[in-house]
Amino acid sequence: AQSVTQLDSQVPVFEEAPVELRCNYSSSVSVYLFWYVQYPNQGLQLLLKYLSGSTLVKGINGFEAEFNKSQTSFHLRKPSVHISDTAEYFCAVSDGGGGSYIPTFGRGTSLIVHP
Amino acid sequence: GAGVSQSPSNKVTEKGKDVELRCDPISGHTALYWYRQRLGQGLEFLIYFQGNSAPDKSGLPSDRFSAERTGESVSTLTIQRTQQEDSAVYLCASSFAPGGPDTQYFGPGTRLTVL
Repeated sequence: AQSVTQLDSQVPVFEEAPVELRCNYSSSVSVYLFWYVQYPNQGLQLLLKYLSGSTLVKGINGFEAEFNKSQTSFHLRKPSVHISDTAEYFCAVSDGGGGSYIPTFGRGTSLIVHP
Repeated sequence: GAGVSQSPSNKVTEKGKDVELRCDPISGHTALYWYRQRLGQGLEFLIYFQGNSAPDKSGLPSDRFSAERTGESVSTLTIQRTQQEDSAVYLCASSFAPGGPDTQYFGPGTRLTVL
C-alpha cells in the first residue's frame, strides 16, 4: 500500500517569496500524483495532477510541481506567493498498476503567508 | 454548476447516539467517496461507491459505520452508537469516471463532534 509523507506540517513565508511544499511517496511503481488545496472553511479542490508525460506539471494559481521518479517525490512550488495562498495543501498518490485508483493522502501542509 | 454538497455542515451529538451524514454528488458522477479527516491528520479513506454498489469498504473503521447510495446519487454515512473518537470532519467527494485516476470534487464536509 502507498504511503505519502508531507514532511512539513507548517510552512510560514512572507508575501512575494518563493515556496516549496514537499511530498514523498513510498512506492516507485506506476503512480498518479495530485495536489489539492483546502482554503479555510471550504472543501478540497484540485491544484494540479500528474498522470503521464512531462514531469513538470502546471496548475492553477501559478503553482507547479515536478514528478521525480528516482526520488519518489512530487514537490509543489510557486515562485511568488500571495496572502490568498494561505491554505492547507494535500498531496495524494494513487497506484497506476490497475488497482482501484483510490488515492492515499498525506497529512497536509499548512501554508501561512505573512504580509 | 452545483458542486458536491453535504449536510449538516456541523453536528454535535452525545456519545452513544446514532448520526446520519448526507452527501449530494455532482450530477452524472458515478463514483462517490467518503473520507474522514481528524484534526491534524490527512484524509482517511472510508468507503467508495461505483454507482450504487460499494466495491471497496475496506476503510470503514468498525461495524458501527455503514453507508449506502441510492439512485446513483445521494449517499448517507451512518455512524451508530457514536464514540468520542468519531469526532472529525467527514468529507465526501465524487468523480465522473470510476476505476480511473479522475479528479475528485470535494464537498465542504460535515464537522461531527461527539460529546
